[in-house]
Amino acid sequence: SSELTQDPAVSVALGQTVRITCQGDSLRSSSASWFQQKPGQAPVIVIYDGNKWPSGFPDRFSGSSSRNTASLTITGAQAEDEADYYCNTQDSSGKWVFGGGTKLTVL
Amino acid sequence: EEQLAESGGGLVQPGGSLRIACAASGFTFSDHYMDWVRQAPGKGLEWVGRTRNRINSDTTDYAASVKGRFIISRDDSKNSLYLQMNSLKTDDTAVYYCVREISISRPRGLFVDYSYYMGVWGKGTTVTVSS
Repeated sequence: SSELTQDPAVSVALGQTVRITCQGDSLRSSSASWFQQKPGQAPVIVIYDGNKWPSGFPDRFSGSSSRNTASLTITGAQAEDEADYYCNTQDSSGKWVFGGGTKLTVL
Repeated sequence: EEQLAESGGGLVQPGGSLRIACAASGFTFSDHYMDWVRQAPGKGLEWVGRTRNRINSDTTDYAASVKGRFIISRDDSKNSLYLQMNSLKTDDTAVYYCVREISISRPRGLFVDYSYYMGVWGKGTTVTVSS
């Protein structure tokens, strides 16, 4: 299957650490990217190639993977991190597939 | 600064056609794979399709949901990407984003492996399919 599965919603207390996961068979052979989307805005890349972050983006965001699961970890979550987060990767035919998204609430 | 600016969205009736465009600036457009990604109201992101670059013959791939109805094209002389949408359905109502893929190269002996990620996104244009 080329589907990616994410928890619909996750919450974290301000300053604490939270992990958002993404599961799918395609992740066994292709690395994940993670995108942050705030209401009314376009998505922004936060992690690419599994564990790299774009220059200028806070390093409290980190990525990891194991077998068929990719994870996005936010260490010391801030109020501005409240957003929807999407994972994506390429399937065996090279087509892109997205997870359903996780709504992160910072309490 | 790299920028992508979509245009051409609007209201169209079911069964109708619409062409949207994406103007690129701040990078060498012809070198890059480009994608369209859409987002229906209140829903998640859905990949629509991609066009590879000139070196790879501008070949295209499409999601199953739009294959045979949508056509992606590019005009490198105008730094522009297009999405021709035909036989539109109400389910095609969405914000359509233009996306630039960025390549990562890894040496592997005498060869080089390439992987890609969706590095730069436009702000999107809204397409509404309704009677």
